[in-house]
Amino acid sequence: AQTVTQSQPEMSVQEAETVTLSCTYDTSESDYYLFWYKQPPSRQMILVIRQEAYKQQNATENRFSVNFQKAAKSFSLKISDSQLGDAAMYFCAYIPVRGGSNYKLTFGKGTLLTVNP
Amino acid sequence: DGGITQSPKYLFRKEGQNVTLSCEQNLNHDAMYWYRQDPGQGLRLIYYSQIVNDFQKGDIAEGYSVSREKKESFPLTVTSAQKNPTAFYLCASSSYRADTQYFGPGTRLTVL
Repeated sequence: AQTVTQSQPEMSVQEAETVTLSCTYDTSESDYYLFWYKQPPSRQMILVIRQEAYKQQNATENRFSVNFQKAAKSFSLKISDSQLGDAAMYFCAYIPVRGGSNYKLTFGKGTLLTVNP
Repeated sequence: DGGITQSPKYLFRKEGQNVTLSCEQNLNHDAMYWYRQDPGQGLRLIYYSQIVNDFQKGDIAEGYSVSREKKESFPLTVTSAQKNPTAFYLCASSSYRADTQYFGPGTRLTVL
């Protein structure tokens, strides 16, 4: 069964600094997608970034970038120049491309990020 | 604007009542999903639908029912058989089953 582990329940960062959130996953699949979602106090889940497993290049979206290590099954999120609006719960998620009966989006339990002014 | 809407934002249910949560999308997505979120937890899949008139149970389907009569709509009914329904419910959709899922704003259900 697929599992996603976020080992940091809480993290904090100073405004304008850089922070890295960790995520590891377990799967026997070779083709899959990985995601980071952000859930601010409004509780709406917002897509931050997506990584396709077949791509060696790490995905980036403005101040957000990932470090995808396929062999180590690691998928960390780096937030540069942190802003107060980045404060939220961040969820790592995984989905197999050809999951068959195992198809579903599997979430980690989340990391609560606090941004200090 | 394309997106996913959920209503109501807050819902209160008395013991023994069935309630229905609405989810509508205008993204022309084929697949739709319902998730439940409890405090301190990630999301757990209740039901999903890959196409109109077809849906599958997720990990925690007991006490819930769904229908998919239209591509745009995927309502969730929380029945009286659901023993602990107080939670935050999120609806999502994607172009196809393994594609990126986009979420609605959620419904907070409280049992009185």
